[in-house]
Amino acid sequence: NAGVTQTPKFQVLKTGQSMTLQCAQDMNHNSMYWYRQDPGMGLRLIYYSASEGTTDKGEVPNGYNVSRLNKREFSLRLESAAPSQTSVYFCASSLNRGFLTEAFFGQGTRLTVV
Amino acid sequence: AQSVTQPDIHITVSEGASLELRCNYSYGATPYLFWYVQSPGQGLQLLLKYFSGDTLVQGIKGFEAEFKRSQSSFNLRKPSVHWSDAAEYFCAVEGGQGNLIFGKGTKLSVKP
Repeated sequence: NAGVTQTPKFQVLKTGQSMTLQCAQDMNHNSMYWYRQDPGMGLRLIYYSASEGTTDKGEVPNGYNVSRLNKREFSLRLESAAPSQTSVYFCASSLNRGFLTEAFFGQGTRLTVV
Repeated sequence: AQSVTQPDIHITVSEGASLELRCNYSYGATPYLFWYVQSPGQGLQLLLKYFSGDTLVQGIKGFEAEFKRSQSSFNLRKPSVHWSDAAEYFCAVEGGQGNLIFGKGTKLSVKP
């Protein structure tokens, strides 16, 4: 039972490069989320998808795009990476919107932009 | 706007001692509240959650939390801490728009 799987686990990018972070869940959850975690800042929501085919901006969406490819997969794309995007990125899913049920988190992607 | 405050950035307790981690929230309606734990290099794991009803909720790993509306608090407690409890703890409130709003976390260190 994998839960929420994120790839890659580590990545180093040069400023201006692009990349896509992948996330997949096998729990038949409706809602999926992307958060970034920075030291002393807690977790901040980048984008979320309440259901297949919908996406909404969170607290810090600038510089990111997302795609809800199907019910299982929710990807996060950095079109032109900047050093300010160095962070740990977490994908999460929950059965319903608003975390009215338990949210499950992936193991994180540690991204460094140089 | 909703917010969560965890006043303590870092707490150190001795193994076997009791623990209380503080959390204060700002939310207009009845909040949905959560405590998560994050071990080093890992994702977040739900410890417990409060939706309604009994204000003392039990979670995994021997943790409990008490919701106090009058104080806008949701403090996490454990009667006897184990070395394996060393981790970072996050309090969160459901933001009403399909998101969780997290506090900045409290790092717990456990002395042998």
